[in-house]
Amino acid sequence: EVQLVESGGGLVQPGGSLRLSCAASGFSFSSYWMHWVRQVPGKGLVWVARINSDGSGTRFADFVKGRFSLSRDNTKNMLYLQMNSLRVEDTAVYFCSRELVGATPFDYWGQGTLVTVSS
Amino acid sequence: HLTQSPSSLSASIGDRVTISCQASQYIGDFLNWYQQKPGKAPKLLIYDASNLKTGVPSRFSGSGSGTEFTFTISSLQPEDTATYYCQHNDDFPYNFGQGTKLDIK
Repeated sequence: EVQLVESGGGLVQPGGSLRLSCAASGFSFSSYWMHWVRQVPGKGLVWVARINSDGSGTRFADFVKGRFSLSRDNTKNMLYLQMNSLRVEDTAVYFCSRELVGATPFDYWGQGTLVTVSS
Repeated sequence: HLTQSPSSLSASIGDRVTISCQASQYIGDFLNWYQQKPGKAPKLLIYDASNLKTGVPSRFSGSGSGTEFTFTISSLQPEDTATYYCQHNDDFPYNFGQGTKLDIK
C-alpha cells in the first residue's frame, strides 16, 4: 500500500526555521519526483516545490526561492523540506505528493502537516 | 496561470455538472483534476486532461486540450460534495486553479 506520511510541522516564530519530513512506503521511491503543495486552511492549493528522482534537481515557487530547500534520501525513502526565514504567510498545511514522469502525477498524497508561523 | 470557473456551484442529485479551467498559455493535455473534501488531502480524479485514474467512478470525466478544459460529473451523487481543482503539470510552477466548491441543493 502506498503511503506518504508528513511530519515536522508546528509553531515557529517569524524568521525561524523548520524541517518537514515525508516518509514514503509501498512504492519505488527512487523512481518518483516528489512535490510539496501547501494550503492555507480554508483556501486553495498552492504548489511549492519539486525534487527529481535522484535528488539532483529542484524547482521552487517564486515565493519560497532562496528560503526553502529540498532534499531526499532514497536509501531511507525520505523527503525533506527545509524552511528558513519563515514568514507569517507561510502558515499552511503542507502536503507531500509523488509524480511518475510520463505517467500519473500527484496520484497519492500525505495527510499534511500544519506549519504555523506566528509570534 | 489557470482560471477555473465557477468558484462555487450548487446542483441537485442526478444533475450533470461542468467545471471549466482555462490556461493562460498552451499546455497541451498536461491538465489534472482533483477532488478535496474538508480536512482531507486532495484526490486525483483525472490526469492528462481526460484519463480517469484507476478506481475513480466513471461518472467523472475530463476533456479539452491546449488552453480550454472541462471537468464533468455526469450524474451528481451526494458523496460528490467537495471542492474541485484543476492543475497543470506542463512546466514549473505547477499552478492550481482557484477551486470550485460544489454542494448539493
